[in-house]
Amino acid sequence: QTVVTQEPSFSVSPGGTVTLTCGLTSGSVSTSYYPSWYQQTPGQPPRTLIYSTNSRSSGVPDRFSGSILGNKAALTITGAQADDESDYYCVLYMGSGISVFGGGTKLTVL
Amino acid sequence: QVQLVQSGAEVKNPGASVKVSCTASGNTVTDHHIHWVRQAPGQGLEWMGWINPKSGVRNNSKKFQGRVIMTRDTAISTAYMELSRLRSDDTAVYYCARGILGYCSGGTCYPRDDGFDMWGQGTMVTVSS
Repeated sequence: QTVVTQEPSFSVSPGGTVTLTCGLTSGSVSTSYYPSWYQQTPGQPPRTLIYSTNSRSSGVPDRFSGSILGNKAALTITGAQADDESDYYCVLYMGSGISVFGGGTKLTVL
Repeated sequence: QVQLVQSGAEVKNPGASVKVSCTASGNTVTDHHIHWVRQAPGQGLEWMGWINPKSGVRNNSKKFQGRVIMTRDTAISTAYMELSRLRSDDTAVYYCARGILGYCSGGTCYPRDDGFDMWGQGTMVTVSS
């Protein structure tokens, strides 16, 4: 069974740039997986950041961008701010109407 | 402005069923899928499945096959997720999320199966004896 992988944790300095990735235990991620990204702070529902690899959801600042880097999907945050400290989840579309979440990355801004 | 409003918290005994609702306020039934996602305490997000409110077509993760039923009531713009034979590890916050639309043609928009653009506030379901 293919699993969607994410870094468990990452840290970035305020003002810095960080790239989180979303991969597969077997195979490469491409645009055909329509990767999407979600931000979640404790006690809150997720917030949609990116869908279809690189389309920003309404109201999301352009410091958040999505791409394919090598064999993984990537979420890049430029000019990191304190309130970017959150959990970040990717979702990959596996076809046949099925989606799978990655395990999430806990981002610390310090 | 459209919002997804979910029903309140539930406490259930093991073996029972729970039915969570998700109402699209400020809009009637749309072409979007409604997905269901859950999150156990301290854990990550888990996709459960989706239903298209207009057509009634549904799809769900094999993990929940035979235990989950997704339905809708178009008259009140509400989708439901019913999970049966509850176990303690079903204790989680259950979210509904609106799916993304694809292309539109001739006044009809077609839902995509991937991605979510709006979320409900979540419903806590606790399974405990």
